[in-house]
Amino acid sequence: EPEVTQTPSHQVTQMGQEVILRCVPISNHLYFYWYRQILGQKVEFLVSFYNNEISEKSEIFDDQFSVERPDGSNFTLKIRSTKLEDSAMYFCASSEDNNYGYTFGSGTRLTVV
Amino acid sequence: RKEVEQDPGPFNVPEGATVAFNCTYSNSASQSFFWYRQDCRKEPKLLMSVYSSGNEDGRFTAQLNRASQYISLLIRDSKLSDSATYLCVVNPGGSYIPTFGRGTSLIVHP
Repeated sequence: EPEVTQTPSHQVTQMGQEVILRCVPISNHLYFYWYRQILGQKVEFLVSFYNNEISEKSEIFDDQFSVERPDGSNFTLKIRSTKLEDSAMYFCASSEDNNYGYTFGSGTRLTVV
Repeated sequence: RKEVEQDPGPFNVPEGATVAFNCTYSNSASQSFFWYRQDCRKEPKLLMSVYSSGNEDGRFTAQLNRASQYISLLIRDSKLSDSATYLCVVNPGGSYIPTFGRGTSLIVHP
């Protein structure tokens, strides 16, 4: 079964440092997403990406965040200057169509110290 | 009113029981609805989409009530392996920012 791959599985970083979280969506999917889940809280939408541009973003996705699809397979989330409150599980997801359900990757646990 | 609301539970049921979860949504223009399952510290996994006519997949039945703005998930003959958090997801019309509910925790015991 095709899957969404995320690396690394766990990242520890110092406050103020930049991090890049990487994702390889399913190859024939056209829509890509980043979500985050703070421990014990609900899954929160960050951004959606289609046709090489951001299609929607939430209030959480401020100027500290950016996404990129640098080549035909990778989809990255960059956080420029991490804060303690950025500590969360970050999930990448992809789908064939925006009205279909998503396939999630197994997540990157980001810990900011 | 919150956009997507779910009873957090936990629902604690014996094996073989039938259990039902509801999820209410506030945006009447919502277009697509889904149930996901999330195990502890794992990613959400799509369980089923929810169609207007209702749909069934084995022991799982999903229903949509647009008039009352809720969706439901019924699990029959509960198994120990059904223990998880069940997330309701709603895609509003006009904007494609999908909204997750906080999830309903299900514990199936022997």
